[in-house]
Amino acid sequence: DVKVTQSSRYLVKRTGEKVFLECVQDMDHENMFWYRQDPGLGLRLIYFSYDVKMKEKGDIPEGYSVSREKKERFSLILESASTNQTSMYLCASTAGGETQYFGPGTRLLVL
Amino acid sequence: GQSLEQPSEVTAVEGAIVQINCTYQTSGFYGLSWYQQHDGGAPTFLSYNALDGLEETGRFSSFLSRSDSYGYLLLQELQMKDSASYFCAVSGNTPLVFGKGTRLSVIA
Repeated sequence: DVKVTQSSRYLVKRTGEKVFLECVQDMDHENMFWYRQDPGLGLRLIYFSYDVKMKEKGDIPEGYSVSREKKERFSLILESASTNQTSMYLCASTAGGETQYFGPGTRLLVL
Repeated sequence: GQSLEQPSEVTAVEGAIVQINCTYQTSGFYGLSWYQQHDGGAPTFLSYNALDGLEETGRFSSFLSRSDSYGYLLLQELQMKDSASYFCAVSGNTPLVFGKGTRLSVIA
């Protein structure tokens, strides 16, 4: 079974803090994605990566950056957390087919 | 750009059949996917349609009409555990774009 893990299920941070969300997949997938999910807004794509050291902006990249130094790991960085970044963050990976495999999500609260 | 429309909420009785519709606007369309998400859980893949017609997987079926830019997810013999949010998603020249989700409540 494909396994996508995220470093934390719940996280509480202060405004202005730098926040790192880690995602690791164990199926040698090329493609990895970061989404945020908010009530009534569905899943919105923040950043994605089709290869190591490659990154592309999604629909809502403002306030975020990413890092992909190794194929299995895709990190989402909030350079200076703000309250409007309080959300559920979901990581996903795919080998290029139509099935995206999601991690369990990180619920981030920024105070 | 790409956009999808699906109902925000649907309620159905245990044992019944429910259909969740999805209409989309996109360029470079490849296919339509469906995902299920239980409260507190991660989305999980249900089905994918690239060609017109109905695909059946157990109690769940998914339909696509490319000419109408329309698809639906059909859930039969509803069970309480089917209560969840269901998302349609289109794949095209860009990464998957998800609809806002339909919250299905199954009642006794």
